[in-house]
Amino acid sequence: ETGVTQSPTHLIKTRGQQVTLRCSSQSGHNTVSWYQQALGQGPQFIFQYYREEENGRGNFPPRFSGLQFPNYSSELNVNALELDDSALYLCASSVTGELFFGEGSRLTVL
Amino acid sequence: GQNIDQPTEMTATEGAIVQINCTYQTSGFNGLFWYQQHAGEAPTFLSYNVLDGLEEKGRFSSFLSRSKGYSYLLLKELQMKDSASYLCAVGLENYGQNFVFGPGTRLSVLP
Repeated sequence: ETGVTQSPTHLIKTRGQQVTLRCSSQSGHNTVSWYQQALGQGPQFIFQYYREEENGRGNFPPRFSGLQFPNYSSELNVNALELDDSALYLCASSVTGELFFGEGSRLTVL
Repeated sequence: GQNIDQPTEMTATEGAIVQINCTYQTSGFNGLFWYQQHAGEAPTFLSYNVLDGLEEKGRFSSFLSRSKGYSYLLLKELQMKDSASYLCAVGLENYGQNFVFGPGTRLSVLP
C-alpha cells in the first residue's frame, strides 16, 4: 500500500471520446506525476504537477492535460482518444525522490 | 534523447542468484532507481543509487558506475515471488519526478 489511490481502475472508451482519470496522492506529498505504460513497456513520463502548477512535461501532445487541486489530488484528461492511447496510466507521488505509484487506471480505446 | 537498455527476459532457479543489467544514456542524472512490478500491479520501489558503488538491502543489491552509464540489480536466494518485471529508471531533475524508465526485464523464477 503506497497511499496513492487512482480511479477508475478500468475503463473502455471509443476513439474520439474524452477521458478523465483521478489520483489522490499520499498524505504530505505535494508533487504528483503521471506516467503512461503500454503493455510490455516501461512507464513513459507524461507530466508533473507541483503545488497546482505543471512543472515538467514529457513528449505527449497537448490533448493530454491535467490539473492539481489544493489538496494535491490530481486529474489527467485526454481528449480525442486514439487507439494508441490504450495503456495503463500510473499516478505517482513523491517527497524525497522515490516514486510511490498508485495501482493505475487501465484504459482501453476501441 | 534518452535511452535505457535492459535485457527483455531472464530465467533463474529458486535459491539462485541473478544479476539484471541496465545501461543508460540520458541528458541528466539525479539517481538510478530500480522498481519491481508484478503483472497487473503498480511498480514498487526497490533501491536507489546516486553515487558509484554497491547498495545492499537484504536480498537485493544495486550497483552503479556513472562513468560507464551502467547499473545492475542483484537478487540473491531467489524465491518464486520474485517472478516479476524489474524496471531500471533514471531521475533527470533534482526536485522533479521526470524519470526515464527502461523497458523492464521480465524475470521468471523456476522451481
